[in-house]
Amino acid sequence: QKEVEQNSGPLSVPEGAIASLNCTYSDRGSQSFFWYRQYSGKSPELIMFIYSNGDKEDGRFTAQLNKASQYVSLLIRDSQPSDSATYLCAVSGFKTIFGAGTRLFVKA
Amino acid sequence: DAGITQSPRYKITETGRQVTLMCHQTWSHSYMFWYRQDLGHGLRLIYYSAAADITDKGEVPDGYVVSRSKTENFPLTLESATRSQTSVYFCASSARERLDGYTFGSGTRLTVV
Repeated sequence: QKEVEQNSGPLSVPEGAIASLNCTYSDRGSQSFFWYRQYSGKSPELIMFIYSNGDKEDGRFTAQLNKASQYVSLLIRDSQPSDSATYLCAVSGFKTIFGAGTRLFVKA
Repeated sequence: DAGITQSPRYKITETGRQVTLMCHQTWSHSYMFWYRQDLGHGLRLIYYSAAADITDKGEVPDGYVVSRSKTENFPLTLESATRSQTSVYFCASSARERLDGYTFGSGTRLTVV
């Protein structure tokens, strides 16, 4: 079992829809959770972080954390073609582990 | 300019040559990291540093050497480049490693021929 797992995708959603990206992790001691966006040929960019169970909203982005079930998700509302990218989940406990990423494609 | 910069952006080298990739950050972040990113493997940690003169191995350190004599610089050296080291290399920094997330440099695309 990988320490941080993401569906590689591609996840394809129509413009204006909600994109839901999921991530599961194995270390129950993990305390901090991050979402990065990486456009093709570019470096990862931090877009969200969450520490506590529940939801955290920032504009069109909502991060959701459920430590009991060991998953973290990212919702993108009103998806735009410019949201098309690979989204990396990162989990920090004793060490920081990155997932391999989910490719999102938003169709105009 | 403020931020984290990597150089060069692109590099082609021959097998067996020594190559140094540079990383410079202007925030005085304590933590700095080197990752490589390959298709099918995602980001893999090569080395990291918690402060000047403190470095430690990551997941894939073999064939690489790092140093950190100054807080702002964290060069990565490939001692004798091999084709398997062809990759995109990212440097990153963080003020509080497990709380703040990372800021990544633009990357260096290295090709070993």
